[in-house]
Parts: sequence; structure tokens; C-alpha cells
Amino acid sequence: DGGITQSPKYLFRKEGQNVTLSCEQNLNHDAMYWYRQDPGQGLRLIYYSQIVNDFQKGDIAEGYSVSREKKESFPLTVTSAQKNPTAFYLCASSLGQNTDTQYFGPGTRLTVL
Amino acid sequence: AQSVTQLDSQVPVFEEAPVELRCNYSSSVSVYLFWYVQYPNQGLQLLLKYLSGSTLVKGINGFEAEFNKSQTSFHLRKPSVHISDTAEYFCAVSDPAGNTPLVFGKGTRLSVIA
Repeated sequence: DGGITQSPKYLFRKEGQNVTLSCEQNLNHDAMYWYRQDPGQGLRLIYYSQIVNDFQKGDIAEGYSVSREKKESFPLTVTSAQKNPTAFYLCASSLGQNTDTQYFGPGTRLTVL
Repeated sequence: AQSVTQLDSQVPVFEEAPVELRCNYSSSVSVYLFWYVQYPNQGLQLLLKYLSGSTLVKGINGFEAEFNKSQTSFHLRKPSVHISDTAEYFCAVSDPAGNTPLVFGKGTRLSVIA
């Protein structure tokens, strides 16, 4: 089955700890994205990558970091510098960018205690 | 930069009634437009998209949307809703001439009442 997987579905961390969210796709897509979703705020773009070893900041990149060492993988690290990290995080991928449908993973709900 | 406004944050509707979810985008020479649906605690799924051609676009689950360039709108409609349509719906826009990802609206929560 082709698709995007995110793990884990629920994640709990103590304040001040870095945490890495996993995102893997087997769709052979070039582009991958990370979004943060908060109630009433829709989806806000954190980082995106159009090709391996390259990525760009989105609208709310502060306190987050990413890497794109492999085409299939685009992990997101939520650092201790992120002031309000508790949220629902969604990963997506697309074949190209503008015209292409984004396919979403099931999401990871991060709660920082 | 493109932007999207979803005029209603919540829309309650009775089962089997029609529904329209409104979406307006900022003006541009040309745009690509999308509607996504999100069921609780899940990712988003594409309902339909407009790239070019016919302004009436049909999608999955009986939904359709109409691109109206003069009103910069892309409203989503369904003639008869089911309980299973209860979800959050997102409109998104992209600029074909640019090189930036989709811009999403803040979402409309559709609640279908039995």
C-alpha cells in the first residue's frame, strides 16, 4: 500500500526536551511538508522540501528543525525553543508542488507536559 | 502572496438538507483551488480541485464546487448531506506562476444533525 506514515500517533514529552516526529512516504514524491494544526487556526506551514538535501522555512519555522537526507523521509524536530509545542502535526507529500495534490499522513498529536 | 478566507467557521445543517461552504481567495491572474476534508483525528483528504477548464468541478462523496473568477470564490456544495459528512473542510489556493506551497484557509466545521 502506498502512502504516508507518521509515528507515533500520540506523543508526550516534558517541557524543555527536544522531540522528533517521524514522516515516511513510499509514493516516490519529490516534495514533502510539515504543518501544525491548532483549533480554529487551520493549517500553518512549518517547513517544506522540494528535493533531497534542500528545505525551506514556512510561516512558523521558529523552534523547529528538519532534515531531508532521503527522498522517503522528512523528520521534524520540535526543539525546546518552541514556546508552545502542544499541537497536532501533519506531514504531507506531493509529486511536485503547485498543481499537485498533497497527500497527508494521519498526524501526530504532541502534548508537552 | 495568495490568501484564502473561509467565511464560516461552523455550519450546522440537518441530515438530507443541502449545504454550501464558502471560500474566497485573494485576487490573482490565475489560481489553482482545492477543497480538502478532515475527519476527527485524521489527516486531510482531497475532495476536489480546480486547475483549468470547466468551472464546475465534481469531487468525491457527492460534493461539487464552482469556480467564480469575477467573485474570486470557490464555494463547496452538496445537495443532500449525511451524518457521515460531519468533518472539517479546508479550502486551499496556489499560484501556478509561483513556486510556493498551497495556502490553506482556517477551515469550516460542518456538523450534520440527525
